[in-house]
Amino acid sequence: DAGVTQSPTHLIKTRGQQVTLRCSPISGHKSVSWYQQVLGQGPQFIFQYYEKEERGRGNFPDRFSARQFPNYSSELNVNALLLGDSALYLCASSLRLAGDNEQFFGPGTRLTVL
Amino acid sequence: QQQVKQSPQSLIVQKGGISIINCAYENTAFDYFPWYQQFPGKGPALLIAIRPDVSEKKEGRFTISFNKSAKQFSLHIMDSQPGDSATYFCAASRNNFNKFYFGSGTKLNVKP
Repeated sequence: DAGVTQSPTHLIKTRGQQVTLRCSPISGHKSVSWYQQVLGQGPQFIFQYYEKEERGRGNFPDRFSARQFPNYSSELNVNALLLGDSALYLCASSLRLAGDNEQFFGPGTRLTVL
Repeated sequence: QQQVKQSPQSLIVQKGGISIINCAYENTAFDYFPWYQQFPGKGPALLIAIRPDVSEKKEGRFTISFNKSAKQFSLHIMDSQPGDSATYFCAASRNNFNKFYFGSGTKLNVKP
């Protein structure tokens, strides 16, 4: 059975550009969360979507947005890219909304902003 | 404000030794404490998790010790192996929310 998949694997953008990252959760998982992992640090929560509705938002500017589709896949959009947005963006899926059910992480998308 | 503080930043252990990583949290509403293992180029993978109603949980060579009054928890890796070399993250969340707060990570290197 396939795990969480993310695309693209790597991405290079310049300041001011916009980027869209994609995530496909494990089959049957209805919750998708997005995290930003800056080199040398732990992941930081950006968004959670459950049943196509936003259920949580981290401390990130409005340049960051996301959505979840009827098939439970998700997209993360970042506008007006800054150098500081360079990071590994992780998607995690889980069966339920609650915090004590296992989150399965994808391999991430490495975004470099020049 | 960092919700979960993790130490040490890096750790070198000889094969067969015990690796110990510590975490402390502030928010007493947290009630789920997982540990994740991350290899280079991969996403974090759940290793073991604990709820605050128990003081210890063991799964194979991995043990979580939990001290609710001190708001601290730790990961012990017994008989550490070179294959355990990875970055380990502690995390915390509230049961009603799937928002995880991660520690800053510990890079473990097990020497053969």
